[in-house]
Parts: sequence; C-alpha cells; structure tokens
Amino acid sequence: NAGVMQNPRHLVRRRGQEARLRCSPMKGHSHVYWYRQLPEEGLKFMVYLQKENIIDESGMPKERFSAEFPKEGPSILRIQQVVRGDSAAYFCASSLYSNQPQHFGDGTRLSIL
Amino acid sequence: DQQVKQNSPSLSVQEGRISILNCDYTNSMFDYFLWYKKYPAEGPTFLISISSIKDKNEDGRFTVFLNKSAKHLSLHIVPSQPGDSAVYFCAASAWGETSGSRLTFGEGTQLTVNP
Repeated sequence: NAGVMQNPRHLVRRRGQEARLRCSPMKGHSHVYWYRQLPEEGLKFMVYLQKENIIDESGMPKERFSAEFPKEGPSILRIQQVVRGDSAAYFCASSLYSNQPQHFGDGTRLSIL
Repeated sequence: DQQVKQNSPSLSVQEGRISILNCDYTNSMFDYFLWYKKYPAEGPTFLISISSIKDKNEDGRFTVFLNKSAKHLSLHIVPSQPGDSAVYFCAASAWGETSGSRLTFGEGTQLTVNP
C-alpha cells in the first residue's frame, strides 16, 4: 500500500523558468493538500483540492502559482517564472476524508539558481 | 500571525525518561489537533491526534493532552528512545466545508534522546 508519492525529490531551476511538482495521493484518497516549508520554519498551507476541484487556495500566492488535481493522474503544483524566494520544500498530503489525518509525501526540494 | 506556537525550539532528554513537548494556540475555532514527527529529508509522519471533545488520547508510548481553557496541548513520550530523536510538529485545524482539515503548523521542536 504505497504512501503519498512526490516527484521529483529535488528540482533545480533558474530564475524565470517554470517548476512542475507532482503528487500521487495514497490509494483511495481524494483529498489533496499542498504545503510549503521555508528554511527554519514550519509548514504553511497553500491549497486544498479534491478531484477536478480547487476547494481552498487561500494560502497560495495569487500570481505565478497554480494547482490542479485532474480526474486521471497526479496533482500538479505549477510555479511559473520562479524567483529565489520560491526555494523551499514543497509537501503534498492526502486524506481519505476531509476530517481525517493527513498523510504526507517526502516532499520536493526546489532550489532556484 | 502565528496561530500555533511551539516555544521550545529544542529539547534534550535521557533514554528511558519522559519527553514532554508543548504547543499553544490562539484560534478558538480549532477543534482538531495533531502531532507529527519529521526526520531530515522526509515528510512529516502522523503520530497521534485529539478532538476538542476530549482532553486526553493515548497510543502506546504517546499521549496527547488538551487543555482547551488554556489553549494548550502537550505530547508525552514515555519511555523515550533514541529513535524518537526528530523534529516534532504540532498542528491544528478548524473543520469547515471549504477549509476541510487544512492544517496550521507550529514551528517545530527538535527532540534529542541521548542513550
């Protein structure tokens, strides 16, 4: 029973490029959450999605960031025109129901040159 | 606005003794609380949770206590083992139709258990 799978584990981009982070939730889980962890800080909520729907994107910057969770395939967090401040660990979590504990992937470490 | 605070960035205990990690929150709408453990280069691992209708939940060596009037919760680990050395995050949620169980995390406490 595979856990939450994130790829890539490490991603290096130059300023101005695009970053695409992928997350496959645990089998049977239809609730997906993205969090960001800056150095020396706790995790900060970004966006909550169910299949094909964005439920809550209040933690996601209005510009350059977008997320999707299509009917088929993984959830994608997309960052356009990356800047140095986007360097962080991005974690995806999934849950069976919205009021159940979330299970996390091992994250994608994004580094911006 | 830090709604969940873990005031101790680090804690060191001897193997076999009790570890007590503390967490305070300010949002009275929070009704569900969780503790996660995190090793370097890995994602957080769920440990234990408690609903606001309870004041204690126990699972093996881990016990979480909730004091709603003080807006305070704590995680007790007894006996502590060297493998427990990790960063521990407290998290809280206020369930709602649009927020789901969106988690608000504290900054974490680095626990070191010495052999």
